[in-house]
Amino acid sequence: EAQVTQNPRYLITVTGKKLTVTCSQNMNHEYMSWYRQDPGLGLRQIYYSMNVEVTDKGDVPEGYKVSRKEKRNFPLILESPSPNQTSLYFCASSWTQGALSYNEQFFGPGTRLTVL
Amino acid sequence: DQQVKQNSPSLSVQEGRISILNCDYTNSMFDYFLWYKKYPAEGPTFLISISSIKDKNEDGRFTVFLNKSAKHLSLHIVPSQPGDSAVYFCAVQGVWDSNYQLIWGAGTKLIIKP
Repeated sequence: EAQVTQNPRYLITVTGKKLTVTCSQNMNHEYMSWYRQDPGLGLRQIYYSMNVEVTDKGDVPEGYKVSRKEKRNFPLILESPSPNQTSLYFCASSWTQGALSYNEQFFGPGTRLTVL
Repeated sequence: DQQVKQNSPSLSVQEGRISILNCDYTNSMFDYFLWYKKYPAEGPTFLISISSIKDKNEDGRFTVFLNKSAKHLSLHIVPSQPGDSAVYFCAVQGVWDSNYQLIWGAGTKLIIKP
């Protein structure tokens, strides 16, 4: 089954304790992305990756790191989490976007993070 | 300043009637306009898209209309069914820093009453 998986689904942590949220896709997609969803703000992009070893900042990258060492995996790292990073996080993947078409993004089920 | 706005946080519609969800955008340089649907405890799933060169796209019960002069996008669901109850996000695709990216609206929660 084609899917994007995220782990963990729920996480409660404390300020300053490093954490990693994993993301994996089995569709051989080049493009992967991390979003956070906050009430009244929709989805905001944190980081994205056009392909292996190619990553770039989205709209709200502060406090986050990513890596893309393999095509299927795109972990999100919070080196020193703070309460303002409490949010619902989504990983997504797709074929590379272009001017002549839209390639739908496939989303993981989400990770609800609470930073105390 | 939000470039994509969904001004109705929620919408309640009787089963069998038409649901109309609206979205306004500010930048005329976007090339694709999208609707995603989200159920609780799941990620968003793609519903329908429309290119900036068209004004209508249909897929079964779902039709998206694009009014470029008004910078307005709408999704019509006819007839509405209980399974349509979900949060609907509109999103627009444009080019920033030479890459195609999406900007999302805040979402509208659609409730279909039996």
